[in-house]
Amino acid sequence: QKEVEQDPGPLSVPEGAIVSLNCTYSNSAFQYFMWYRQYSRKGPELLMYTYSSGNKEDGRFTAQVDKSSKYISLFIRDSQPSDSATYLCAGYNQGGKLIFGQGTELSVKP
Amino acid sequence: EPEVTQTPSHQVTQMGQEVILRCVPISNHLYFYWYRQILGQKVEFLVSFYNNEISEKSEIFDDQFSVERPDGSNFTLKIRSTKLEDSAMYFCASSGGGTGEGYTFGSGTRLTVV
Repeated sequence: QKEVEQDPGPLSVPEGAIVSLNCTYSNSAFQYFMWYRQYSRKGPELLMYTYSSGNKEDGRFTAQVDKSSKYISLFIRDSQPSDSATYLCAGYNQGGKLIFGQGTELSVKP
Repeated sequence: EPEVTQTPSHQVTQMGQEVILRCVPISNHLYFYWYRQILGQKVEFLVSFYNNEISEKSEIFDDQFSVERPDGSNFTLKIRSTKLEDSAMYFCASSGGGTGEGYTFGSGTRLTVV
């Protein structure tokens, strides 16, 4: 079983839509969870960083962690064409290693 | 905003040649990492480095790979005898602490082995 699983998409939505991106994980040792955004041929850019179960909001982005079901989500409100990118979820433990999901390719159409 | 800098952005090398990929991590960070991403695949962990030694490495990081922090600012990945399957984007990252907060990636070096 892969440690972090993510539907690769692609996901296409109209501008202004609410986007829901999801991951599941199997490694109970993960203590922290990150969402990164990656544009084509660029490095991952940190969007959200969460530790505990619950919600964390930053502008149009909300990260949600449910440790009981090993489920993590990223919601994007009022999506914009500039949000078009690949979104990567990742689990992290204190060993320092990030384990990434496959990434979900998002396209926001004007 | 502080950033991780990688050079070169693109390197083409012949199979069997040695390559050195260079990174300048964020200056007050203590933890350094290399990841790679083969085209169309997920970002994969290679190695982590702390206190001048490797703290963890993946099964990908075999004897052909080595890392070094030759001075106070650079962090390098050496691939001794490149193979075709080493073609990938290589990302350097750094973080300030053991919680992973501020875990920042560079823009990557695209390595093409011909």
